[in-house]
Amino acid sequence: DQQVKQNSPSLSVQEGRISILNCDYTNSMFDYFLWYKKYPAEGPTFLISISSIKDKNEDGRFTVFLNKSAKHLSLHIVPSQPGDSAVYFCAAAGGTSYGKLTFGQGTILTVHP
Amino acid sequence: NAGVMQNPRHLVRRRGQEARLRCSPMKGHSHVYWYRQLPEEGLKFMVYLQKENIIDESGMPKERFSAEFPKEGPSILRIQQVVRGDSAAYFCASSPQGAAEAFFGQGTRLTVV
Repeated sequence: DQQVKQNSPSLSVQEGRISILNCDYTNSMFDYFLWYKKYPAEGPTFLISISSIKDKNEDGRFTVFLNKSAKHLSLHIVPSQPGDSAVYFCAAAGGTSYGKLTFGQGTILTVHP
Repeated sequence: NAGVMQNPRHLVRRRGQEARLRCSPMKGHSHVYWYRQLPEEGLKFMVYLQKENIIDESGMPKERFSAEFPKEGPSILRIQQVVRGDSAAYFCASSPQGAAEAFFGQGTRLTVV
C-alpha cells in the first residue's frame, strides 16, 4: 500500500531550466509534506516543507506547491544547476505521529550542463 | 556542531549473526527515528524513540529487530540472526520535539553474506 507515490523514476533537465518533481498521496490524514534530497552514499537532506494550510512555500530556488483536493504536490527548482543532480524524495506526515514520515520511492534528477 | 552520527558506516555480517547499529542524535535532539532503505526503494519508517521510550514501532518487523534509546548513550538498532533480506541501508534521524523536519545521518550499509 504505497501511500506516497512519485511516479517518475527519473527526470533530465538542462542547466538553467526549471525542474518539476511530482508527488501524489492517498492518505487524507497527511497534513504536512516535505522534500528531501539525497546524494549516493549519504543520508537525505531536508530541503523544504509545506503545511496543509498553505498551497505554496518558497525558499530561494525551491518552491513547493500543494493541491489538497488533488492530493498532489510538486517541487519546482529554478534555475536548475548541475549540483542539484540527486535523488529527490517526497515525504508526508500527519495523524497521530508527526515523527513518522512516509516516503515516496524517489525521483532521480539529472541536470545537464 | 556535529550532525547525526551513525556507526559503523558499513557492516558485513554472516547469516545468523547479530548486527548492532548505533546512532547519536544531534545535540539537543531528544527524538530519534530509524528508517530502512532497500535497494531501488524509498525509505521505510521502522521506529520512533524518545529517551528510554518507544513511541511508535509500527514499522518494525515482529521478530529479530529491536531498538532502544537509553538515558545515556546512543540509540541502538539491533538485528538478531540476520538473513540476506536484511541487507539494506539503515538511516537514523533526529529532531527536537516531534518535529517532522528530521535531520538524517549518513546511514549504515548492512550486507549479509
